[in-house]
Amino acid sequence: QLQLQEAGPGSVKPSETLSLTCSVSGDSISHTSFYWAWIRQPPGKGLEWVGSVHNSGGTFYNPSLKSRVTVSIETSKHQFSLKLTSVTAADTAVYFCARENWLQVFFDYWGRGTLVTVAS
Amino acid sequence: QSALTQPASVSGSPGQSISISCTGTNSDVGASNYVSWYQQHPGEAPTFLIYEVAKRPAGVPERFSGFKSGNTASLTISGLQTDDEAVYFCCSYAGRSKVFGGGTKVTVL
Repeated sequence: QLQLQEAGPGSVKPSETLSLTCSVSGDSISHTSFYWAWIRQPPGKGLEWVGSVHNSGGTFYNPSLKSRVTVSIETSKHQFSLKLTSVTAADTAVYFCARENWLQVFFDYWGRGTLVTVAS
Repeated sequence: QSALTQPASVSGSPGQSISISCTGTNSDVGASNYVSWYQQHPGEAPTFLIYEVAKRPAGVPERFSGFKSGNTASLTISGLQTDDEAVYFCCSYAGRSKVFGGGTKVTVL
């Protein structure tokens, strides 16, 4: 059974960089049919796709965040990561990592999520 | 890109059927059949219910069904059960991007 687990600081100061890692276990991170995604959910609000990475290194980003987001993958460590620069309070959210079936466009496995608060 | 539009809440009694709409545009819902649905119980990660508008992954009950017409997709829950009380999100492919709905809180009366 595939499992994903997010890790990273629970708080970040305004204007700094948010960094999170997702560890993948139970199956290979190198399957060519899948991308690996970050999705966030501000408190009490809906979901927002942040970006996705393929094991080849190919990426897609939410246009509204593209200038601040980098998603990368380290297949040898079975991990992928998120960096979001110049954060503000609007970036406070629960951040989920998920597996994305890019051919049929759905997210079938999700991590439990980690809350990141942007505050001074 | 704007979030897809869902009703904030829908309610029904056990055994009844309810439907949740998800309205987008010609650039997302109306442009492809890559609409998916997710269920989220409080404090938990979303779980995957429907893909490609109407297909159910293994393990999802037949009570959950999907449909699309034009720019609006919908999720129907038949034979409503107490455990169906949750928030439901739709998601659509939007040309190299993905956009979610704002979520619909389903209450079982």
